[in-house]
Amino acid sequence: DVKVTQSSRYLVKRTGEKVFLECVQDMDHENMFWYRQDPGLGLRLIYFSYDVKMKEKGDIPEGYSVSREKKERFSLILESASTNQTSMYLCASSPSSYNEQFFGPGTRLTVL
Amino acid sequence: EDKVVQSPLSLVVHEGDTVTLNCSYEVTNFRSLLWYKQEKKAPTFLFMLTSSGIEKKSGRLSSILDKKELFSILNITATQTGDSAIYLCAVEPNSGYALNFGKGTSLLVTP
Repeated sequence: DVKVTQSSRYLVKRTGEKVFLECVQDMDHENMFWYRQDPGLGLRLIYFSYDVKMKEKGDIPEGYSVSREKKERFSLILESASTNQTSMYLCASSPSSYNEQFFGPGTRLTVL
Repeated sequence: EDKVVQSPLSLVVHEGDTVTLNCSYEVTNFRSLLWYKQEKKAPTFLFMLTSSGIEKKSGRLSSILDKKELFSILNITATQTGDSAIYLCAVEPNSGYALNFGKGTSLLVTP
């Protein structure tokens, strides 16, 4: 079974803090994705990566950056957290562009 | 701009009812449409549809795609309380790797 894990299920941070969300997949997938999910807005793509050290902006990249130094790990960074970044963050991976994405359990981030 | 619209946004039914969830899309260079079920946490994959008119089935769930009219439906027969979840529709364009998600349909099945 594909396993996608995220470093924290729940996280509480203060405005202005730097926040790291880690995602690890164990199936050697090329593609990895970061989404945020908000009530009434659905899942929105923040960034994705189709290879090590490669990254592409999604629909809402502002205020976020990403890092993919190893194939299995994709990190989402909030350089200076703000209250409007309070959300559920979901990581996903897929073996190619013509396949289903497998999701991690999500990190519910609260920024105070 | 690519768009995926799901309807209804929410639905409450009784156990044993049959439900139909809708997903319409406007996507440049369509490649595939996917359905996911999301309970408390991670969305889990249900179906991937690429060809028109071919029904995909898994137990009480089935789905079909109409590429001419640009929509898909997800049917659930003999609903159970365990079917309560958010059902997400996503479309993959030919041009890239990312999925465009609809806002989801929240289904509640009452005993």
